[in-house]
Amino acid sequence: SQQGEEDPQALSIQEGENATMNCSYKTSINNLQWYRQNSGRGLVHLILIRSNEREKHSGRLRVTLDTSKKSSSLLITASRAADTASYFCATGMNSGYSTLTFGKGTMLLVSP
Amino acid sequence: GAGVSQSPRYKVAKRGQDVALRCDPISGHVSLFWYQQALGQGPEFLTYFQNEAQLDKSGLPSDRFFAERPEGSVSTLKIQRTQQEDSAVYLCASSQSSGPNYGYTFGSGTRLTVV
Repeated sequence: SQQGEEDPQALSIQEGENATMNCSYKTSINNLQWYRQNSGRGLVHLILIRSNEREKHSGRLRVTLDTSKKSSSLLITASRAADTASYFCATGMNSGYSTLTFGKGTMLLVSP
Repeated sequence: GAGVSQSPRYKVAKRGQDVALRCDPISGHVSLFWYQQALGQGPEFLTYFQNEAQLDKSGLPSDRFFAERPEGSVSTLKIQRTQQEDSAVYLCASSQSSGPNYGYTFGSGTRLTVV
């Protein structure tokens, strides 16, 4: 079963525009992570935000977390064609180890 | 090695055939995970190892699926008597810690097609 739900399922934008993807989850979490997956490849870890954090930045990425609404957003600023990929949120539960539960992903297409 | 290595990259199996998928995690990484990703879906958890101990196998879909990591490094996922519904990408990931708050490093996956 999948804990997270990304929204939208697909997003198409022009280079230079910002892309915002949202993730909602159901149960309490220890942390939330975002991953990118290029077609036919493995997932690449982008950013991790802990449950006691509200916002985190990494380069052109900004992640927010609202635990009261059980939601997170990923903002990619000044998008590039190379950002074209599927983006997944994954939640880490309050367990003794770090198994992640992934959503279904948002497919982002950035056109030159 | 520098990353997580999985082999083979692609595997075509006839229904009923047994397959073995290999994962070489990053050296020294304590945690190793197997995930199954169907087309158009997110990865689904299969099993988790902390060193050589299989601490969680709750995601294995049936007793035809078996995983091992006998020396706490390389892991093998074995699927017996493959069925068409087993067709998916099998992803292996490793993490430097057994605790939460660490990201995973994924391999490129093995795409299994059962015909």
